Amino acid sequence: QSALTQPASVSGSPGQSITISCTGTSSDVGGYNYVSWYQQHPGKAPKVIIYDVSNRPSGVSNRFSGSKSGNTASLTISGLQAEDEADYYCSSHTSRTINWVFGGGTKLTVL
Amino acid sequence: QVQLQESGPGLVKPSETLSLTCTVSAGSIGFYYWSWIRQPPGKGLEWIGYIFYSGSTKYNADLKSRVIMSVDTSKNQLSLKLSSVTAADTAVYYCARSSSFTSPTFDFWGQGILVSVSS
Repeated sequence: QSALTQPASVSGSPGQSITISCTGTSSDVGGYNYVSWYQQHPGKAPKVIIYDVSNRPSGVSNRFSGSKSGNTASLTISGLQAEDEADYYCSSHTSRTINWVFGGGTKLTVL
Repeated sequence: QVQLQESGPGLVKPSETLSLTCTVSAGSIGFYYWSWIRQPPGKGLEWIGYIFYSGSTKYNADLKSRVIMSVDTSKNQLSLKLSSVTAADTAVYYCARSSSFTSPTFDFWGQGILVSVSS
């Protein structure tokens, strides 16, 4: 069982916006501003799209945004495009003994 | 652009030791944290541990008793050894780079290597 809870799947139509949640505890998501989000296409390595809750690496589309409230972090993708169809994972620093934890992943389907 | 490449056997027998190498090119190992992350087929990501370029390590407590990581700065290589493997250790193993030991920001990843545990 993953330490961070994500919905198994979300879907949306091209042009729409979707939000993926990532729920943890005060020992991880709620306790630190160290949440990252990764996009993973089939057969590929994950790619960081958001770091430290809401920062976008250079080259990542501004259609991707991150936020956090309490023990839940969120990734919002606006103006959905077919290429956004992928698996998305959140990750957080944790005060528990494993240092970094991942969510179970969310499969995004663009209808 | 930094490149990471994992290498090693794709098949390991149960109870044996899995050994992988990650070669870093077009960049230095220095001043970064180098993690191993795995992903069982069809499942999510699991952080195994990291090694700093100086050699200091931190491991996932769930795997700590079976993991050893090392670094060879002269060859720009990292290594992972996971002992007493079982079928549950079958996964794609990635090496990845981060600049911090708190922020889980892995900015460069290898392509991954599938390791199957089977007799």
